[in-house]
Amino acid sequence: GQQLNQSPQSMFIQEGEDVSMNCTSSSIFNTWLWYKQEPGEGPVLLIALYKAGELTSNGRLTAQFGITRKDSFLNISASIPSDVGIYFCAGRSSSNTGKLIFGQGTTLQVKP
Amino acid sequence: EAGVAQSPRYKIIEKRQSVAFWCNPISGHATLYWYQQILGQGPKLLIQFQNNGVVDDSQLPKDRFSAERLKGVDSTLKIQPAKLEDSAVYLCASSPTTTGELFFGEGSRLTVL
Repeated sequence: GQQLNQSPQSMFIQEGEDVSMNCTSSSIFNTWLWYKQEPGEGPVLLIALYKAGELTSNGRLTAQFGITRKDSFLNISASIPSDVGIYFCAGRSSSNTGKLIFGQGTTLQVKP
Repeated sequence: EAGVAQSPRYKIIEKRQSVAFWCNPISGHATLYWYQQILGQGPKLLIQFQNNGVVDDSQLPKDRFSAERLKGVDSTLKIQPAKLEDSAVYLCASSPTTTGELFFGEGSRLTVL
C-alpha cells in the first residue's frame, strides 16, 4: 500500500534556530497537508498544498509541494518554545477515494 | 464555528468488553473520517464516510470494529470485543468534500487492560 516516509524522526534544537523536515512517498500525490499535534490534542492543520511546485507560508512556517509530486518539505524559521510538538505530513493521491495517508511524525523539542 | 466534537475523551475497559465512541462533525461537512492513532505513530484511517455512505473501510477490522453515520451527521465507532492492541487514540475528522482539508477532534483515548 501507499506509504509516507517522514524525516527526521525527532529533533532537539535551540530556540531561534531554523527547522527543516520532509516527507517522501512511493507514489504521486495531488495534495499535501502539514499538521501539528500537541499532547492530548488532535492534529491541527498548518498548511495545505494542492499544486506541484507550490510554496506556501503561514507565519514562520513555509511548506513546499515537490516538483516530482512525491515529496513535500516544511520549514520553521526562528523557532520558539511553543513550536514544540509532533509534526505530521499527510498526502492524498488521485488514484483513490480521497484517502489521506499520514507520515510517522517528526517530534520537535525546542530548548529555550 | 464549532469544531469536531468527540466523546468520551478517555475510556478504560478490560479486554473482551465493548466500547463506543461518538463524533459530531463540523456543521455542513459531508465527509467524516475515523482514524486510529497508536502511541508514537501517525494516524491510520479506519473508515471514511461521504454523507451516510461508506467510501473506504479497507483498513477497518470488521470482525470487531463497526461504524455508522446515520442521517449523514453524527457518527459512532464501536469495538466489540476489544483486544489489548486496540489501545490507542481514536480521532474523528471532517471535511467539506473528499478532496478538502481535514479538521480533527481532540480524540478519544482508549486503554484496554
